[in-house]
Order: sequence, then structure tokens, then C-alpha cells
Amino acid sequence: DTGVSQDPRHKITKRGQNVTFRCDPISEHNRLYWYRQTLGQGPEFLTYFQNEAQLEKSRLLSDRFSAERPKGSFSTLEIQRTEQGDSAMYLCASSLGQGRDEQFFGPGTRLTVL
Amino acid sequence: AQSVTQPDIHITVSEGASLELRCNYSYGATPYLFWYVQSPGQGLQLLLKYFSGDTLVQGIKGFEAEFKRSQSSFNLRKPSVHWSDAAEYFCAVGPGPLYNQGGKLIFGQGTELSVKP
Repeated sequence: DTGVSQDPRHKITKRGQNVTFRCDPISEHNRLYWYRQTLGQGPEFLTYFQNEAQLEKSRLLSDRFSAERPKGSFSTLEIQRTEQGDSAMYLCASSLGQGRDEQFFGPGTRLTVL
Repeated sequence: AQSVTQPDIHITVSEGASLELRCNYSYGATPYLFWYVQSPGQGLQLLLKYFSGDTLVQGIKGFEAEFKRSQSSFNLRKPSVHWSDAAEYFCAVGPGPLYNQGGKLIFGQGTELSVKP
């Protein structure tokens, strides 16, 4: 078990550019979550998947954000036309998705929009 | 509304002293409760969790937490703090046993712990 991995760890981009992040969950985990964390705050839920189905999206997830989990394994989070307010740490977590569920977090992707 | 409150943004304790970090929650049904720790630039590591049963739960690194339903609290404690405990601590709640499956977590703002030598 190698844990949840995220790529890249850091991304610097200019305002208006598109960025894509990848998350690889723990292999047997059915659920995959995306959270966003800004400086001095706790993580805020963005969206989650049960296998390949996206079951819930937060109001924080504007139309510029899209997430996929095409084969129920890894997931991507894309932000189009980035804005400075998108600068944050994007955290991915995975869980078995049953019973007494606990989420395991990846190291995060730090996005800086200039 | 569902929410988690961590009243203390920053706490400083001396190494070897005891620690208590406060957490209060508001949730429509009996939640599951978690404490996570985050070191600078890192992801979140689960310290301990409460699902049901004994209201005093033990976690890793010598931490424990007590669930008090009447106070809607889940405070984290450690009897003797080590310098390596300096980090940010987050309390979180998630859907409890009335839900069929797990779901999104709601986090508090976090408490930053500094440890004096």
C-alpha cells in the first residue's frame, strides 16, 4: 500500500491558463474525494466519486472546475481560466466507501496563480 | 447548518506539558468524528476517530479524544507534548451511522500548536 499520491506537488501558472491535477487513490478504495485548502483554513469539500460516478459537487466547484474518474481508478481535477483566487492546496483523499469510513489523504498539490 | 468550530487558532505549550485542543460541532445527526494532523506543506494524517461505543478513543502518537454528546464536543488531549507534535490540528465530522455509506468531511479552521523547549 503506497498511499494516496498526487501529481504535481506544486504548480505555478499565470492567470487565465488551464491546469490539471492528478490523484491516484489507494488501490482498493472505491471513493475518491477532492478538497481545497486555503491558507489558515481547514480543507473544504469540492466533490467526490464512488467508482467512476461523481455523486456530489460543492457549490464551491464553479463551472471552470471539472473532475473526472474515468475508470474508477485515478482522478483528474481541471481548472480552466485560472484566477488568483484559485490559489490553494488541492487535496485528494480516498476511502473504502462502506461502513465506518475513514479517508486517507494525499500530500496535496499547491497551486499558485500569478 | 453543519459546522465545526475550533475556538483556538494558535496554542503554545511547553515540552512535557499537557495539551487539550477544543472542538465543537453542529450536525443534524450523530456524526463520525475525526482528528487529523498536518505538518507544513504536507497532507493530512489521521490521528484518531470516533464511530460509536466508548466515548474515550485512543489514537496514534499518544493522543486521545473524548466524545461528549451533550456538549457536542470532541476534544483532543495528550498528557505530555513532544517538540515533534508542533503542527496544525484539524477536527472533522462526517456522516454517521444513519447514513449508509461514508461521505464528505466538514473540517474546523484548525489549531496551530507550537511547542516551547
